Formats: sequence, C-alpha cells, structure tokens
Amino acid sequence: NAGVTQTPKFRVLKTGQSMTLLCAQDMNHEYMYWYRQDPGMGLRLIHYSVGEGTTAKGEVPDGYNVSRLKKQNFLLGLESAAPSQTSVYFCASSLTPNTGELFFGEGSRLTVL
Amino acid sequence: AQSVAQPEDQVNVAEGNPLTVKCTYSVSGNPYLFWYVQYPNRGLQFLLKYITGDNLVKGSYGFEAEFNKSQTSFHLKKPSALVSDSALYFCAVRPPRYGGSQGNLIFGKGTKLSVKP
Repeated sequence: NAGVTQTPKFRVLKTGQSMTLLCAQDMNHEYMYWYRQDPGMGLRLIHYSVGEGTTAKGEVPDGYNVSRLKKQNFLLGLESAAPSQTSVYFCASSLTPNTGELFFGEGSRLTVL
Repeated sequence: AQSVAQPEDQVNVAEGNPLTVKCTYSVSGNPYLFWYVQYPNRGLQFLLKYITGDNLVKGSYGFEAEFNKSQTSFHLKKPSALVSDSALYFCAVRPPRYGGSQGNLIFGKGTKLSVKP
C-alpha cells in the first residue's frame, strides 16, 4: 500500500544547481500539492494541480516550477537552487478538493549550500 | 487576510491527563476544519475534520475536536494522553471557494505536544 511516494528523500545541492523532486501516488487522486515546511512556519503551499496537465501557483511559488504530465505524478523543479530553498518538501494528494483529507508523502529534505 | 493561529508552540502534559491543543482561525464564510499529526521524520497524517453538523467531532487515536463558531475555534482534545501521542499537531482550515480564494488548505504553524510518563 504505497500511497504517496517521494524521491529522493535527501539531497544536498550547491547554489545554482538544478534538481527535480518526484511525487507519485497510486490512489487515483485528481488533486496534488507541493508544500514546504520550515521551522516555526508550518506548511506553505508552493504549487498545486487539479488534474493531469494542469498546474497552479500557491502561496510561495517563486523559484519553483512544476509539471503534471501523468495523473499519478507531480514533479517539483528547482532551476537554480538558492540557500533560501533549504527546507523539507512534502507532496500530498486528495480525492476531492474541499472535504477530502490530504494524504502526504514522507518528505524530501533538501539542503542548498 | 485569512489565517490560522495555534497560540502555543508547545504543550506539556502528564500521561493519563487530559490534553487540549488550541486552534483559532480567521476565515470568511463557513470553512472546513482539519487536524493533522506529524511524527518525527514522517509526513502529516489526517486526524479528523469538521464539515458540518455536530460541533464535537471524533477522530483517530481517541482524539476529538470541538468547533465553536462564535469563538472561531477548533480545539483538539483527548481525555487521557499517552506518551505515544507526543508529536507535532497542525490545525488547517479550508476557506470557501469565493472572493478570490482557491479553497486551498491554510495550515497553522504547529504545536509540539510532549506527553511525559
């Protein structure tokens, strides 16, 4: 019962490098989300998707891009990493947009030096 | 601006005692309310939600929460705390989809619950 799987779980980057975080869900959920978690800040929404081929900006989208080419996958890209992007990133999915709960992956810890 | 407040960074409780983790919100309209729990090095897990109806909702692991519309609060409670309840708890609010809101969840900053034997 995989649920939501994130890869990689840990990554260290140098400033200016690029990388992609992959999120995969096997629950046939339409809605997928990328959050970042920082101490004392809670979770902040980066981007989200309401279905295959669609993406939208969340609260803190700058410096990130996303793609949802397949329903089960939601990719988060950093084109030129900055130290301010050091964080723990969580992917989540939900069946419905309003009343349904989110199912979270276990997180990807990114450090930008 | 729409927001969720968890006024306590940390709550300390002795095992067997009742616990309360506080949450208040500032959202127009009738929002949907959620509690999530995060254990160390894990993702968030859903605990319970309030959509409509009875103000007292019951969730996983013996937790419950009371919705109070007049006080715009949604406090999480448990009658008897366990050491295994020690974790980070997040309150979240989903505002109605109008007035420019996409209806995405707004999370509080989290409250660390520590239950001592």
